[in-house]
Amino acid sequence: NAGVTQTPKFRILKIGQSMTLQCAQDMNHNYMYWYRQDPGMGLKLIYYSVGAGITDKGEVPNGYNVSRSTTEDFPLRLELAAPSQTSVYFCASRKGTGKSTDTQYFGPGTRLTVL
Amino acid sequence: QQQVKQSPQSLIVQKGGISIINCAYENTAFDYFPWYQQFPGKGPALLIAIRPDVSEKKEGRFTISFNKSAKQFSLHIMDSQPGDSATYFCAASGSGGGADGLTFGKGTHLIIQP
Repeated sequence: NAGVTQTPKFRILKIGQSMTLQCAQDMNHNYMYWYRQDPGMGLKLIYYSVGAGITDKGEVPNGYNVSRSTTEDFPLRLELAAPSQTSVYFCASRKGTGKSTDTQYFGPGTRLTVL
Repeated sequence: QQQVKQSPQSLIVQKGGISIINCAYENTAFDYFPWYQQFPGKGPALLIAIRPDVSEKKEGRFTISFNKSAKQFSLHIMDSQPGDSATYFCAASGSGGGADGLTFGKGTHLIIQP
């Protein structure tokens, strides 16, 4: 298994541009998550999904959108990039058994810079 | 509002020493407390986790101590090695239907000096 994969690894955007961060998992996990990590701030939850067709907002959803058309894929969309969205983005997944004790597996991250 | 407070922000320990990182939480609905280890340029990886029905969990050189009444938990790394140098995050999640994302502390940058 490749686990959780993310593309691209790095990206530089200009203010106002749009892009999609890709995330895929091959572990047949039901739950998927997007976090952003800023220096010295830990990771904050942007959006999550409990299954195909079901998504919900996390702590910091403004400026982002997600979709979940398949179990495997969970792309994150930035519509109008702003400097405040400069961050490292991590996708994660877990099996999801109804309890919150399942391990979340993280991807390698996408480093995004908005200039 | 920061729901999980982590300290210290950075820590330097001599090889063979004990590294201790502390976390405190506010939300009494949290019922799962993992610690993640992150190396530069990599994603976080689960190190060890505990549930509030036990006060301590040990896996090799890593131990979590949990104090439910004080709403605190800590990570102890025994016989610290240079390979343990990384950033450590404590986290917590609740039992709200199982969909919970993790609430993370701000992280501790640990350096083990040889």
